[in-house]
Amino acid sequence: KAGVTQTPRYLIKTRGQQVTLSCSPISGHRSVSWYQQTPGQGLQFLFEYFSETQRNKGNFPGRFSGRQFSNSRSEMNVSTLELGDSALYLCASSTEDPYNEQFFGPGTRLTVL
Amino acid sequence: KQEVTQIPAALSVPEGENLVLNCSFTDSAIYNLQWFRQDPGKGLTSLLLIQSSQREQTSGRLNASLDKSSGRSTLYIAASQPGDSATYLCAITGNQFYFGTGTSLTVIP
Repeated sequence: KAGVTQTPRYLIKTRGQQVTLSCSPISGHRSVSWYQQTPGQGLQFLFEYFSETQRNKGNFPGRFSGRQFSNSRSEMNVSTLELGDSALYLCASSTEDPYNEQFFGPGTRLTVL
Repeated sequence: KQEVTQIPAALSVPEGENLVLNCSFTDSAIYNLQWFRQDPGKGLTSLLLIQSSQREQTSGRLNASLDKSSGRSTLYIAASQPGDSATYLCAITGNQFYFGTGTSLTVIP
C-alpha cells in the first residue's frame, strides 16, 4: 500500500506571496491532519479534516487554511507569507477512526525569503 | 491546554545499552499516545501506539508504557544500535493533537 505523499517536497517563496501544499493520504484513510515543524516551536498542529469537514483546528492565524476533497486528498494554503512561515509542513493520515495510528508523509520544506 | 514535555532533550549512549526515554503530559484526558522517530530532514515514522485503555505496547526491541494517572509515558529501547540514532517524539491525541519537544538520541558504535 502506498504511503502518504506530499507535493511539492521543496518550495521557495517570497514574503507576501501565497502557497498551496498538497497531501494524498493512504488509500482508505479519511482523516488528514496538518502540522508545522520549526526548530523553535517544534511540531504544532494546524488542522484536521475528516470527510471533507474541518473537525479540529490549532492556534494558527486565518492566513492558514485547508480543505479536503471527496477522494480524501487535502490541500493547505498559506496566504500573505511571512518569514516566520518557513518550516517543514507535514501531513498525516489515519483511518475512519481519527484516534487511530497516524501515518506521516515526508513533508514539504517551505522557505520564505 | 495540554503540555507535553520530553526529558532528556538529548542523549548519547554506547551501542548495546538499554535506555529509557520519557514523555510527560499535563492533561490525562487523552485518547491515545503515539511514539515516533524522525531522521534529520525527514517525516515521522510511527513506532508504537498506546490507546488510553492500554498500559503498554511492544514491538521488537521497543516497549512503551502509559500511566495516565501520573501523566507519564516511557519508551524503552533494548540493546541500542547505531541505526537507532534519531529524534524520538511522543504525541498525545486529546481534543487536539500535541507533540512533545523530542529527545535526540545518538548511539555510538
